[in-house]
Amino acid sequence: GIQVEQSPPDLILQEGANSTLRCNFSDSVNNLQWFHQNPWGQLINLFYIPSGTKQNGRLSATTVATERYSLLYISSSQTTDSGVYFCAVELWNTDKLIFGTGTRLQVFP
Amino acid sequence: GAVVSQHPSRVICKSGTSVKIECRSLDFQATTMFWYRQFPKQSLMLMATSNEGSKATYEQGVEKDKFLINHASLTLSTLTVTSAHPEDSSFYICSARDDGAEQEVNTGELFFGEGSRLTVL
Repeated sequence: GIQVEQSPPDLILQEGANSTLRCNFSDSVNNLQWFHQNPWGQLINLFYIPSGTKQNGRLSATTVATERYSLLYISSSQTTDSGVYFCAVELWNTDKLIFGTGTRLQVFP
Repeated sequence: GAVVSQHPSRVICKSGTSVKIECRSLDFQATTMFWYRQFPKQSLMLMATSNEGSKATYEQGVEKDKFLINHASLTLSTLTVTSAHPEDSSFYICSARDDGAEQEVNTGELFFGEGSRLTVL
């Protein structure tokens, strides 16, 4: 089956720093989403981004489907950005979303 | 975005009992819903696809007789963990996609419930 690998697995930042999270996938995909899982387990939709670049406030994402990767940029990080970030991909001819391995982010004041 | 609600958010039960978790789409209809399981410090693993009016489709390695799924309406899917054991303790999360959202085949944003944390003693 498809492999969805995220890097780095863990990231520690000081408030105000910028970061880039990466999502590599081993096969072509129909769609890609980025999520933030807060400490209570809730998955918050960040981006629905099968291709191209999108921005939402301090966050932006880029997916290069032909090269099988996506990047999530977090600028001027805040302590509330802490949590686990997941990318998830949808395979062609299926509506299933397969999750990546996750990046655990800790932002300290 | 669309709202998906799960109930209960937390449940503790004795070994051998059955537990039902509900997943509702509050402001949209969903022919298909998905159930995931997440163990501590791990990623989400897809368990099954719930289809309104028909049988669920289970992922490899998931016991269909242990994890009963019913999708009786376009806004409700239920997961019943039967004869629960301590190893079934986990975080269960459902998700759904809006049937009415403008989308091409196999596209559309997926929204997740708050999750249900099951502890089996």
